[in-house]
Amino acid sequence: NAGVTQTPKFRILKIGQSMTLQCTQDMNHNYMYWYRQDPGMGLKLIYYSVGAGITDKGEVPNGYNVSRSTTEDFPLRLELAAPSQTSVYFCASTGRGSYNEQFFGPGTRLTVL
Amino acid sequence: GNSVTQMEGPVTLSEEAFLTINCTYTATGYPSLFWYVQYPGEGLQLLLKATKADDKGSNKGFEATYRKETTSFHLEKGSVQVSDSAVYFCALIPDGGGYQKVTFGTGTKLQVIP
Repeated sequence: NAGVTQTPKFRILKIGQSMTLQCTQDMNHNYMYWYRQDPGMGLKLIYYSVGAGITDKGEVPNGYNVSRSTTEDFPLRLELAAPSQTSVYFCASTGRGSYNEQFFGPGTRLTVL
Repeated sequence: GNSVTQMEGPVTLSEEAFLTINCTYTATGYPSLFWYVQYPGEGLQLLLKATKADDKGSNKGFEATYRKETTSFHLEKGSVQVSDSAVYFCALIPDGGGYQKVTFGTGTKLQVIP
């Protein structure tokens, strides 16, 4: 199993550009998450999904959108990039069971200039 | 709301030194507690967990005991290695679960020098 994969690993955007961060998991997990990690800070939840077709906002959803058309994929969309969105983005997934661990992807480092 | 407080880093230790990284939490009832580790350039991965009071989680020489009376889950290792250099995150899931409700601490960077 590849686990959770993310693409791209790095990206530089100009202000106002848009992009999609890709996330795929092959563990048949129902629950998927997007986090951002700013320097010296913990993880902030952007969006999460409890299954295909179902998504909901996390702590910091403004400026982002998600979709979940399949169990495997959970892309994150930035429509109008702003410097405040410069961060490292992690996708994660969890299987059934309330206390299961989260499996994280390797992250996408995004810089908005 | 729930919160997790970790000691400020970075923590710099010599190889074979004893490690303690403090973690305290605020939550009602009996949350589940976790330690995740993030190696340079990688995502987080679970190091250990404890789901009820007085449980001890352990893995790769690391241990942490769930102390309800002090709302703590301190991470310890008797003899650190250079390969343990990473950022360590304490986290909780509240009593009753909740897939969207994982709360992470801000992370503690550990640097082990030979």
